[in-house]
Amino acid sequence: EAGVAQSPRYKIIEKRQSVAFWCNPISGHATLYWYQQILGQGPKLLIQFQNNGVVDDSQLPKDRFSAERLKGVDSTLKIQPAKLEDSAVYLCASSSSRGTIEQFFGPGTRLTVL
Amino acid sequence: AQSVTQLDSQVPVFEEAPVELRCNYSSSVSVYLFWYVQYPNQGLQLLLKYLSGSTLVKGINGFEAEFNKSQTSFHLRKPSVHISDTAEYFCAVTEYNFNKFYFGSGTKLNVKP
Repeated sequence: EAGVAQSPRYKIIEKRQSVAFWCNPISGHATLYWYQQILGQGPKLLIQFQNNGVVDDSQLPKDRFSAERLKGVDSTLKIQPAKLEDSAVYLCASSSSRGTIEQFFGPGTRLTVL
Repeated sequence: AQSVTQLDSQVPVFEEAPVELRCNYSSSVSVYLFWYVQYPNQGLQLLLKYLSGSTLVKGINGFEAEFNKSQTSFHLRKPSVHISDTAEYFCAVTEYNFNKFYFGSGTKLNVKP
């Protein structure tokens, strides 16, 4: 089966610009996660979707970050405007349902904000 | 909130030597524990997990981990490492409802020939 797909793999922007990341989970997976992984740190959950509804976005900086999963399949994470401290790898993961043990991760998008 | 501590940010080891990567967590409630591996420019891959039962858990690639409730630890071990084990390893914990995963800061394992 195909894994979690993410694009782009790399992105370089200047501060105050906007950027968007795309994630396509494993087919049939109802739960989708976006994580931020800053260099030298472990992944930190930004937002969790169950189908097209938000389960947890308590750590999402909502003044600049937004995410959607309109049809309950693929998802987009947007940053507007970007700050230097947003430089990180953004990981998308999916699982077959909420409360499922294993999350499957995509390769990530490495964002550099100059 | 949970916290996960991986004290060793880097562990250098020679090929075929044993290795232990340490993980401690903060919770006093029932938790489930995981180890993930991340190869360069790739996402995280599940190595093993502890849910219940035997405290010694075996995973892929010859890795195993032991859950120690009294010490709130879940250390990862391998008796003989290979060059291909060079990667970053993350310990993670979630509470019984799997609502949120908390990851440690990672340990970079560098296996030298």
